[in-house]
Amino acid sequence: QVQLVESGGGVVQPGRSLRLSCAASGFTFSRSAMHWVRQAPGKGLHWVALISYDGSNTYYADSVKGRFTISRDNFKNTLYLQMSSLRAEDTAIYYCAREKGLPSRPERFFDYWGQGTLVTVSS
Amino acid sequence: SYVLTQPPSVSVAPGKTASLTCGGNNIESYSVHWYQQRPGQAPVLVISDDSDRPSGIPERFSGSNSGNTATLTISGVEAGDEADYYCQVWDSFGDPWVFGGGTKLTVL
Repeated sequence: QVQLVESGGGVVQPGRSLRLSCAASGFTFSRSAMHWVRQAPGKGLHWVALISYDGSNTYYADSVKGRFTISRDNFKNTLYLQMSSLRAEDTAIYYCAREKGLPSRPERFFDYWGQGTLVTVSS
Repeated sequence: SYVLTQPPSVSVAPGKTASLTCGGNNIESYSVHWYQQRPGQAPVLVISDDSDRPSGIPERFSGSNSGNTATLTISGVEAGDEADYYCQVWDSFGDPWVFGGGTKLTVL
């Protein structure tokens, strides 16, 4: 069965960096576009970033553009999110999510989610 | 960027029908997807492309989309349906993957 397991969250000071990982299993990782979606405490869901199946294309929410970098290692079946210049408003649970569809036909929604990893930005 | 509006809360008695709305300008021209998030858990897809139900989702969950409103309908509501529900669309302008603010469904 599809499993997505995030790790790397923790408490970090404003302005510092942190890298999140998402280990994928149970499906052909190299054929799926992957995303990061975050949820601030007690708030709703917000899309953060997308990476195409082969890593050739990436897109970012305006709120993180220039500070976050999404990447993937299709040999290790792992998705990453490198976060830098962190701010208090980046405090959230970060979920990795699989986009339904094929490389040639993405479906623009998320059919599987990980359990999330909490990032707290605080001095 | 595109805005999706959901009522913050909806309450329904067990066994009754809950209608959760998601408003957006001409939303009928978008494919709307719905996620259920139980307390302390990750979101789960319950409806895709307006009205398609993924395998494993009970038939009690259905969706529709017309005009400026998409609706998630849960019939025969059970205590286990108590959760936050989010609608989502993909838009070619601004941040592409857009979520509504979510509706907390309370089973009385």
